[in-house]
Amino acid sequence: EAGVAQSPRYKIIEKRQSVAFWCNPISGHATLYWYQQILGQGPKLLIQFQNNGVVDDSQLPKDRFSAERLKGVDSTLKIQPAKLEDSAVYLCASSLERENTGELFFGEGSRLTVL
Amino acid sequence: GQQVMQIPQYQHVQEGEDFTTYCNSSTTLSNIQWYKQRPGGHPVFLIQLVKSGEVKKQKRLTFQFGEAKKNSSLHITATQTTDVGTYFCARRPSSNYQLIWGAGTKLIIKP
Repeated sequence: EAGVAQSPRYKIIEKRQSVAFWCNPISGHATLYWYQQILGQGPKLLIQFQNNGVVDDSQLPKDRFSAERLKGVDSTLKIQPAKLEDSAVYLCASSLERENTGELFFGEGSRLTVL
Repeated sequence: GQQVMQIPQYQHVQEGEDFTTYCNSSTTLSNIQWYKQRPGGHPVFLIQLVKSGEVKKQKRLTFQFGEAKKNSSLHITATQTTDVGTYFCARRPSSNYQLIWGAGTKLIIKP
């Protein structure tokens, strides 16, 4: 079974530039998550989708971050304009259970460096 | 509030020594999940605990859920170099969907 796919693995941009990350979850997983993980910290949820609907985006900085999952499968996360403090690894995860009680399967992550 | 406190932040052990990390909450946990993240890697699910006083074992790893469901622990017996990484606990409040993560405990094997 293929895992969660993410791209790009690494991205270096200057502040005020924009960047987009892509995620393809495990086939059949209805729930998709985007997490931000700053070095030395635990993952912080940015947004959670159930199929193509948003379940929780309370911690998404909506003035600069946006995410979509138009067909209920793959998803993109965009940052525009980027700030220095956005340097982090952006992790995509998916889970099978609709009731949100099961394990999360993570992708390898996209490491963003903002200069 | 909803946060989980994970201690210690780091633990240095000699290979072969035991390792324990603790996850504490001021409120009752409906469940607790444990993940391992290798250096440069992504979190990988280890286990989920649901029942009060539950104890689960995976080879050298022992997971416990407190009787009051306010704390949990992960104990590794006779650590090996493959155990190196950061161990996270994560709680899911019954009131919403979001997983709330601890800050993690980094296991470091002394050379």
